Amino acid sequence: AQTVTQSQPEMSVQEAETVTLSCTYDTSESDYYLFWYKQPPSRQMILVIRQEAYKQQNATENRFSVNFQKAAKSFSLKISDSQLGDAAMYFCAYRLYGGATNKLIFGTGTLLAVQP
Amino acid sequence: ETGVTQTPRHLVMGMTNKKSLKCEQHLGHNAMYWYKQSAKKPLELMFVYSLEERVENNSVPSRFSPECPNSSHLFLHLHTLQPEDSALYLCASSQVTGTNVLTFGAGSRLTVL
Repeated sequence: AQTVTQSQPEMSVQEAETVTLSCTYDTSESDYYLFWYKQPPSRQMILVIRQEAYKQQNATENRFSVNFQKAAKSFSLKISDSQLGDAAMYFCAYRLYGGATNKLIFGTGTLLAVQP
Repeated sequence: ETGVTQTPRHLVMGMTNKKSLKCEQHLGHNAMYWYKQSAKKPLELMFVYSLEERVENNSVPSRFSPECPNSSHLFLHLHTLQPEDSALYLCASSQVTGTNVLTFGAGSRLTVL
């Protein structure tokens, strides 16, 4: 069965600094998607970034980028120039490519605090 | 309204009550989902509806009963709940095909006394 592990329950970063959130996953499949979602205090989960496993190039979205290491089954999120609005719970998620349902498997989350 | 809207935002109920959670999406999606979020646990997928048919039911107790009358609306009917059912219940929607990215609502915080 696929699992997603986030080993950092909490992280803290100074405003304008860079922080990296870790995620590892376990799967025997070769085609899948990986996601980072952000859940601010408003509770609404927001997609931060997505990576297709068949793409070797790491995805980037403005200040957010990933380090995707397929062989190591690692998918870390780097936030550059951290802002106060980045404070939230961050969830790593896995989805198998194809299939009848869009079933996401989530990690337990990392709570990120941003210090002014 | 845009996106995915969930009501109520907060709900407190006794173990013998019957209540319902409502989810509505305005994105033209054709798949909808219920997730349960408990503290320090991964989100748990409860139900999936694809093209208004239930395609997944992850061993959820029968005291939770989903209903999807059309592709824009999803309900979760609650009956005879237990205190351990207290959690944040998140609704999401997506297209069945294509990018498959889930769009979530803000959740309904349920407290069972």
